[in-house]
Amino acid sequence: EPEVTQTPSHQVTQMGQEVILRCVPISNHLYFYWYRQILGQKVEFLVSFYNNEISEKSEIFDDQFSVERPDGSNFTLKIRSTKLEDSAMYFCASSYDDEQFFGPGTRLTVL
Amino acid sequence: RKEVEQDPGPFNVPEGATVAFNCTYSNSASQSFFWYRQDCRKEPKLLMSVYSSGNEDGRFTAQLNRASQYISLLIRDSKLSDSATYLCVVNKGSGNTPLVFGKGTRLSVIA
Repeated sequence: EPEVTQTPSHQVTQMGQEVILRCVPISNHLYFYWYRQILGQKVEFLVSFYNNEISEKSEIFDDQFSVERPDGSNFTLKIRSTKLEDSAMYFCASSYDDEQFFGPGTRLTVL
Repeated sequence: RKEVEQDPGPFNVPEGATVAFNCTYSNSASQSFFWYRQDCRKEPKLLMSVYSSGNEDGRFTAQLNRASQYISLLIRDSKLSDSATYLCVVNKGSGNTPLVFGKGTRLSVIA
């Protein structure tokens, strides 16, 4: 069964550093998403991406964040200058219709 | 009012029990409704979509009441492997729009 994959599974970084989280969506899916989940809290939407552009973004997705689909398979989330409060699980999701399928997540720890 | 509201639990039930979870949502524009299951520190996994006519998948039955903006999930004959957090999820509007998650209801099935 096709699945969304994400790398790395765990990323530790120093405050102020840039990180890039990578995702490979399911191959025939057209819509891509990033969500995050701070420990003990609910899953929150960050950004959606369709047809090589951002279709919607939340208030969390400020100028520190960017997304890219550099080739036909990868979908990346970049955080330019990480803050302590960026520590969370970051989930990539993809969909063909309204059902979204999630990757295993990247645990980001900012020290 | 929270966008998606669920009883956080925990629900502790013996194997073989029937358990029901409820959820309310505030956005009347939501068009798609789901139950996801999330194991500790893992990604949300789609359990089932929820339709106005109600739908059943094995031991799981989901119901939607659009007028009351209320969603339910019934699990019959609980198994130890059903222990997880159950997330009520709605989308923000029609089509491929972002998902809005509840905080989840924790279920522990005890031998």
